[in-house]
Amino acid sequence: NAGVTQTPKFQVLKTGQSMTLQCAQDMNHNSMYWYRQDPGMGLRLIYYSASEGTTDKGEVPNGYNVSRLNKREFSLRLESAAPSQTSVYFCASSGGWAGELFFGEGSRLTVL
Amino acid sequence: EDQVTQSPEALRLQEGESSSLNCSYTVSGLRGLFWYRQDPGKGPEFLFTLYSAGEEKEKERLKATLTKKESFLHITAPKPEDSATYLCAVGGSSNTGKLIFGQGTTLQVKP
Repeated sequence: NAGVTQTPKFQVLKTGQSMTLQCAQDMNHNSMYWYRQDPGMGLRLIYYSASEGTTDKGEVPNGYNVSRLNKREFSLRLESAAPSQTSVYFCASSGGWAGELFFGEGSRLTVL
Repeated sequence: EDQVTQSPEALRLQEGESSSLNCSYTVSGLRGLFWYRQDPGKGPEFLFTLYSAGEEKEKERLKATLTKKESFLHITAPKPEDSATYLCAVGGSSNTGKLIFGQGTTLQVKP
């Protein structure tokens, strides 16, 4: 049982480049989330999708876009990467209300 | 504004030395307080949910408790494998579908 799978695990970008982080879950969960984790800042919600076909902004949505492709997949896109977006990105899913989240192993992004 | 503060930031214990981690919170209409464990290079792993003051949950050497202002994660006779970062998060009625996370406490247990 894979749970939540994120790709890529590591990525280095130059300022201004674009990229998409992919996330897929195999637990038939309705809700999916994208968080970023930075030293001293904790986990901060970027975007979430309560159900297929819906997306909402979290605490730090600027510079990002998301797509809930289907019930399994939720992607995060950086259109023009900035050094401030250097971070570890986590995708998560939940079957019901937001509390019990299942996280992927993270995608480590460096923007030079 | 919902807020979560964890203390201490870091804690070093000897194997077998019991201690507690603190999570102080302010939230409008607590819907739940959650504890997660995060190992280096991994995603957080869910441990407990607490819904109301006075509630307690246990798992092996861990026991989580909740009051109206804070939660404690008590670690009894810890082992080196308990070393990890412990995250606390709250969900409130004004932030449906969202959790607010604290910055975490990094626990190191030495043999």
